[in-house]
Amino acid sequence: QSALTQPPSASGSPGQSVTISCTGTSSDVGAYNYVSWYQQHPGKAPKVIIYEVTKRPSGVPDRFTGSKSGNTASLTVSGLQAEDEADYYCSSFARSNTWVFGGGTKLTVL
Amino acid sequence: EVQLVESGGGLVLPGGSLRLSCEASGFTFSNHWMHWVRQAPGKGLVWVSRINNDGSDTRYVESEKGRFTISRDNAKGTLYLQLNNLRAEDMAVYYCVRGYNYGLDHWGQGTLVTVSS
Repeated sequence: QSALTQPPSASGSPGQSVTISCTGTSSDVGAYNYVSWYQQHPGKAPKVIIYEVTKRPSGVPDRFTGSKSGNTASLTVSGLQAEDEADYYCSSFARSNTWVFGGGTKLTVL
Repeated sequence: EVQLVESGGGLVLPGGSLRLSCEASGFTFSNHWMHWVRQAPGKGLVWVSRINNDGSDTRYVESEKGRFTISRDNAKGTLYLQLNNLRAEDMAVYYCVRGYNYGLDHWGQGTLVTVSS
């Protein structure tokens, strides 16, 4: 049950795009299409923004897109806005019916 | 509107116990798996445990097997997490999270557990 690997930080200017990676193994990310992404603002609870690799809950802007290739999932935020500045976490369902999170990425909008 | 309200956190001595509760509303509680996720101060999210719809199957993060026990009361719409033999490294905000199709969707606001002498 090792944590998924995310870069600790990412940044971009308003209007730009930024991609955050999430690397797991063939026992979690690579094995299932059950990768989710969460956005967490300081002092707040996390909020799901992507589930099942590519799906967006209602109300989440289409600027947020998810993808996966092999053992690595990715979150792309297009048209960066000031309110996108937050911590982002990936998670995956894993073998033995458990779940694992990434270490989190702090996104800064310059 | 889905609501998850945690309670039961607080200050506990090392080696002590706490029982966290999560009252659910706005959805059919018995239709969903439920999870606990924790976040130590300034750190990332860590999945702790999951219970299936009727409570017959439970899973835990390997490091906490034997110390934590997840349970639920579908009649009361409430999820629980029993924390035993608490250590300093268990200090965290504990979130109650609704499961959805092998993902986690709605999150409560969390309850803070502080372990200190």
